[in-house]
Amino acid sequence: DIQMTQSPSSLSASVGDRVTITCRASQSISNYLNWYQEKPGKAPKLLIYAASSLQRGVPSRFSGSGSGTDFTLTISSLQPEDLATYYCQQSYSSPYTFGQGTKLEIK
Amino acid sequence: EAQLVESGGGLVQPGGSLRVSCAASGFTFRSYWMSWVRQAPGKGLEWVANIKQDGSEKYYVDSVKGRFTISRDNAKKSLYLQMNSLRAEDTAVYYCARDLLPDTPNYGMDVWGQGTTVTVSS
Repeated sequence: DIQMTQSPSSLSASVGDRVTITCRASQSISNYLNWYQEKPGKAPKLLIYAASSLQRGVPSRFSGSGSGTDFTLTISSLQPEDLATYYCQQSYSSPYTFGQGTKLEIK
Repeated sequence: EAQLVESGGGLVQPGGSLRVSCAASGFTFRSYWMSWVRQAPGKGLEWVANIKQDGSEKYYVDSVKGRFTISRDNAKKSLYLQMNSLRAEDTAVYYCARDLLPDTPNYGMDVWGQGTTVTVSS
């Protein structure tokens, strides 16, 4: 199975900050990498698919990059509503494993 | 609007069985791969299984192989997860989710249900 490792596991940032979350795959997954946002008590929400494609309706401050084994989710200017846990997921081969999550807190 | 509604969760004893269901509406169910994803209390997301549009291909995470069976009824626009030989570690919220693009997997899941809670305990 492909292992997905996110870093950091948690981070605290201020409104307006640029935030970067990293995801590393244990083997090459081309660009089959997705990012989700999960808020407490809510179902996960797809933010980015195919490593860098912004899902419809997602604010443009979110962006994704990378290919192969190393990927990044960037929030260009952090907003209070971005308080959430973020997960990467590979969809290159089954099982479609998730990273362990990054909990984002607002200072 | 595309919508998924899960049902069937509950309390079950270790070794027992349970079937959870997911009712789809607002989209052409038969055109999409569908998945189950679970989240244990205080833990992260775990992909459990998925199924092709016509049910001809099914994939599972190793921890549920041989115990769980994913299935679908396109006429009823419903997805199912039959869970047998349940263990305490299967305790989780179970979400059904739709793949982003019709006729192809591999691009994430864009429609999720609200989840149904399965608790395995004596």
